[in-house]
Amino acid sequence: TQLLEQSPQFLSIQEGENLTVYCNSSSVFSSLQWYRQEPGEGPVLLVTVVTGGEVKKLKRLTFQFGDARKDSSLHITAAQPGDTGLYLCAGPNDYKLSFGAGTTVTVRA
Amino acid sequence: DAGITQSPRHKVTETGTPVTLRCHQTENHRYMYWYRQDPGHGLRLIHYSYGVKDTDKGEVSDGYSVSRSKTEDFLLTLESATSSQTSVYFCAIRGGLGETQYFGPGTRLLVL
Repeated sequence: TQLLEQSPQFLSIQEGENLTVYCNSSSVFSSLQWYRQEPGEGPVLLVTVVTGGEVKKLKRLTFQFGDARKDSSLHITAAQPGDTGLYLCAGPNDYKLSFGAGTTVTVRA
Repeated sequence: DAGITQSPRHKVTETGTPVTLRCHQTENHRYMYWYRQDPGHGLRLIHYSYGVKDTDKGEVSDGYSVSRSKTEDFLLTLESATSSQTSVYFCAIRGGLGETQYFGPGTRLLVL
């Protein structure tokens, strides 16, 4: 059973469109992380959100942590082919991380 | 670059044979992790280590064992490989701020 549920599982959009990926849990997390993974490589951390209601921006990517610290979202504005990849959310669990199943994003040129 | 290497990067083996994957880090991080990644499941923790000779099970540890005799090396062993263990295996270390994990490049294992 995954502690973190991601939706949608797959997203295919045209270059220039916007997209949102969701990460939900019934558990409260002290923080949530978002990773991006490109084919043939390991995941790489994009951002950590710590405070309920927090919004962080990374160029065209906007990350939000829910007020109750049970959910998070990733919004990409004007997506580009370079945004293609697998996006994973993760929450701390003792000294481990629990990962969502991931959202595969494909941005078509 | 967190200085994590994995070997081999690709391996094909037959059912019933033992397989050992190696993770090597250069920065003396205390925590190391082994995950497997399968479509639709994200990353699932197999085993982790919190120091030399200190290891513990993750959520999918059946059929796997680990050893850590030196800080820099964390070995994952499939005692008798099965086709269900065909997967991509990632090693990670816990470092930097908070709970951040840094991942190696992965090992693709195919069990025939």
